[in-house]
Amino acid sequence: EAGVAQSPRYKIIEKRQSVAFWCNPISGHATLYWYQQILGQGPKLLIQFQNNGVVDDSQLPKDRFSAERLKGVDSTLKIQPAKLEDSAVYLCASSLDRGGGGHEQFFGPGTRLTVL
Amino acid sequence: AQRVTQPEKLLSVFKGAPVELKCNYSYSGSPELFWYVQYSRQRLQLLLRHISRESIKGFTADLNKGETSFHLKKPFAQEEDSAMYYCALRGAQKLVFGQGTRLTINP
Repeated sequence: EAGVAQSPRYKIIEKRQSVAFWCNPISGHATLYWYQQILGQGPKLLIQFQNNGVVDDSQLPKDRFSAERLKGVDSTLKIQPAKLEDSAVYLCASSLDRGGGGHEQFFGPGTRLTVL
Repeated sequence: AQRVTQPEKLLSVFKGAPVELKCNYSYSGSPELFWYVQYSRQRLQLLLRHISRESIKGFTADLNKGETSFHLKKPFAQEEDSAMYYCALRGAQKLVFGQGTRLTINP
C-alpha cells in the first residue's frame, strides 16, 4: 500500500512570510497527526484529527499555526507569519484509530522548513 | 503529565557487542510504551511496542513499572542497527516522544 505522502519536502522562507504543508494519509486511515520535530528533539504533536474533527490541538500555537482536514482525507498545516523558531521538520502521520487508540502510526517523509 | 527521557543522545558500540538504549518515563496512568526507529534517509517507523512482547530484528524491551523504564536491548549489535531510536509513550491517545538516541555500530 502507498504510504503517507507529504509535500513539499523542503521549504526555505524568510521570517514573517507564510507557508503551507500538505499531507495525504494512507487510504482508509481515520486519524491524522501533525508533528513538529526541532533539530535534536523528538517529534512533538501539534494537532490530531479524527476524520475531519480535531481531537487534540493543545500544543498548536494557534496565534500563527492553523490546520484543516477537509472531507476527512487530506490535510494542510499553515504557518502565518513564520518565526525563526519554527525551523523544524514537520511530520504527518496517520493511523486506523477510530477513537480507541492502539493502532500503529505511519509517518510520512516530512517537510523540512528553514526560516531565515 | 507525560514525559519520556532518553539520557543518551549518542551511543556507539562495536559490532557483535550488546546494546542497551535507555528510556525512562513519567506517567500517572497505565502507560503504553513504544520504540520507534529512523534509519538514514528513511521514515520514522515503529520498531516494537511493549504489549506485543515480541522480538523485532533481535531487539527486545521490557516494561519495568517499578523503575518506570522501557530499555531497548539487543545481545549482538549489527552494523545495520545504526539509526536514530526514539522511545515513546501513549497516554490519553497522545504519543509523546523522547529526544532520541543516535546509535552507531562500529565495524
